[in-house]
Amino acid sequence: RKEVEQDPGPFNVPEGATVAFNCTYSNSASQSFFWYRQDCRKEPKLLMSVYSSGNEDGRFTAQLNRASQYISLLIRDSKLSDSATYLCVVIRVKSSGDKLTFGTGTRLAVRP
Amino acid sequence: EPEVTQTPSHQVTQMGQEVILRCVPISNHLYFYWYRQILGQKVEFLVSFYNNEISEKSEIFDDQFSVERPDGSNFTLKIRSTKLEDSAMYFCASSERGVLTNEKLFFGSGTQLSVL
Repeated sequence: RKEVEQDPGPFNVPEGATVAFNCTYSNSASQSFFWYRQDCRKEPKLLMSVYSSGNEDGRFTAQLNRASQYISLLIRDSKLSDSATYLCVVIRVKSSGDKLTFGTGTRLAVRP
Repeated sequence: EPEVTQTPSHQVTQMGQEVILRCVPISNHLYFYWYRQILGQKVEFLVSFYNNEISEKSEIFDDQFSVERPDGSNFTLKIRSTKLEDSAMYFCASSERGVLTNEKLFFGSGTQLSVL
């Protein structure tokens, strides 16, 4: 099983739609979780951290389910500018240092 | 917003040649990282660096790879003898206090390495 798994998509949605992405992780010792956004051929950029209680930032809501080892990202009222690849990122502490693992990403295409 | 800068943006090299990818992390950051992304694939961790030494490295980071912080500002990745499969986008990243503090990781815009 992959350490971090995401549905690659693409998700094609109209403007204004609500879309949700899921991510599962295999290592129960994982400690911190993030969603990053990556535009085509650009660097990843932090979208939001994911907290156990769930957290919201404007149109974006992130949730963590430790028991089931999955993370979700909900985007409400999709904009054309939301078109990108969304990367699930999981951090695990190891004796030699922290290890940050990216999922393969889920592509979102928002159409007019 | 402060930036991580990487040079060059594109590097073309012949198989077997040495390349050095350069990065200038954000000035007050203490943790430095290299990642790579082969076209169409996921971002992969290569190495983390703190307090002038490697703190963690992946299985990709074999003896052909090395990192150095030669002065107070640059952070370099050297590939001694490039292989075709080293062709990828290489991202440098830095953070002030390390990723476990839930702090933002700043990425540079990457160096696209093409090995011919």
